[in-house]
Amino acid sequence: AQSVAQPEDQVNVAEGNPLTVKCTYSVSGNPYLFWYVQYPNRGLQFLLKYITGDNLVKGSYGFEAEFNKSQTSFHLKKPSALVSDSALYFCAVRKGGGNKLTFGTGTQLKVEL
Amino acid sequence: GAVVSQHPSWVICKSGTSVKIECRSLDFQATTMFWYRQFPKQSLMLMATSNEGSKATYEQGVEKDKFLINHASLTLSTLTVTSAHPEDSSFYICSARVTGRHVRGTDTQYFGPGTRLTVL
Repeated sequence: AQSVAQPEDQVNVAEGNPLTVKCTYSVSGNPYLFWYVQYPNRGLQFLLKYITGDNLVKGSYGFEAEFNKSQTSFHLKKPSALVSDSALYFCAVRKGGGNKLTFGTGTQLKVEL
Repeated sequence: GAVVSQHPSWVICKSGTSVKIECRSLDFQATTMFWYRQFPKQSLMLMATSNEGSKATYEQGVEKDKFLINHASLTLSTLTVTSAHPEDSSFYICSARVTGRHVRGTDTQYFGPGTRLTVL
């Protein structure tokens, strides 16, 4: 079975400060890892993914994530947060070659002035 | 690229009626589409995986006779909630997986904007 843990229900950060949203995963075989963002009453928007290659993945809107195999983590980061980054963030994992995407419970990011 | 649309974006219906939700991949072909349900402040729950031209695969606990899924073409999947009841009220989100060897992002699922269903 595959699973994703997002240990923080909410992360608060001041605008201009760096942000980190944590994610750890469990899957057999090679993991395909994804981050999505959801704004209120909207679907999910794709931010970035790790399939293979460089452990540091750069995505949309200045976000990046680092794949750490030994710690089974895929934390989302951004060097300087914006108020407009405030949203619900989901980490997801799929087994390489598999079909089912498993989501974490989501982390609400709140960026304040 | 990789845009997924859903229609309608919201619907209110009376208990006992059926509601159809459409999911379209606008600029790519999707052999596989997925239907999710999301409750307030919760994660997405996969309901079923829809494969073009074949029967959908339902997750455990999801009633296939209540949530009818049809994937008649590579760009369209529909979810019909039959004999809807208030407990079916939810946010339904579809997604499509980009397929094809020559399409960038072949391992990424793209999501529709969601449909808010309210059953009175």
